[in-house]
Amino acid sequence: QVQLVESGGGVVQPGRSLRLSCAASGFTFSSYGIHWVRQAPGKGLEWVAFISYDGRDQYYADSVKGRFTISRDNSRDSLYLQMNGLRPEDTAVYFCAKDRRWKQHHFDYWGQGTLVTVSS
Amino acid sequence: EIVLTQSPATLSLSPGERATLSCRASQSVSSYLAWYQQRPGQAPRLLIYDASNRATGIPARFSGSGSGTDYTLTISSLEPEDFAVYYCQQRSDWPLTFGGGTKVEIK
Repeated sequence: QVQLVESGGGVVQPGRSLRLSCAASGFTFSSYGIHWVRQAPGKGLEWVAFISYDGRDQYYADSVKGRFTISRDNSRDSLYLQMNGLRPEDTAVYFCAKDRRWKQHHFDYWGQGTLVTVSS
Repeated sequence: EIVLTQSPATLSLSPGERATLSCRASQSVSSYLAWYQQRPGQAPRLLIYDASNRATGIPARFSGSGSGTDYTLTISSLEPEDFAVYYCQQRSDWPLTFGGGTKVEIK
């Protein structure tokens, strides 16, 4: 069955960096675009970033552009989010989620999320 | 950026009742709209994609409709497990965006 498992969350001071990972299984990882979506405590969902199946295309929310970098390693069935210059407003649960089909950016499978807390 | 506005913010209903949730886009999203359900402490679950298509394993009591800028999620008869928060999401243009959510609570 399809599984997405995030890791790498934790408590970090403002201005510091953190790298999240998402391990995929149960589907052909290299055939699907993958996203990061976050949810601040008690708030709604916010799309963060996308990477195409082959890694050639990336898109970012304005709120993270220039600070966050999405990448993937298809040989390891893994997705990453490098977060630099973290701010308190980046505090959230970060989910990875896969495209339902090629270029159809609705999310049919989600991980359980990893919590990132930015605080001094 | 396409802004999605969901209404109402909270819907108070009893089990067995019909729920009607609305999502309005700031510009046409050409039916490229999805609905998700999120229960407390869980990841979202895809219910409806491209406005009216039920995702795999989703019960028939969930249906989606709409076009252009106005979309509706209908739950024909609420089951206890349907009390949750529902989000719409568009894939018509970057950045992808979500609505603010509608909480369906037990009356």
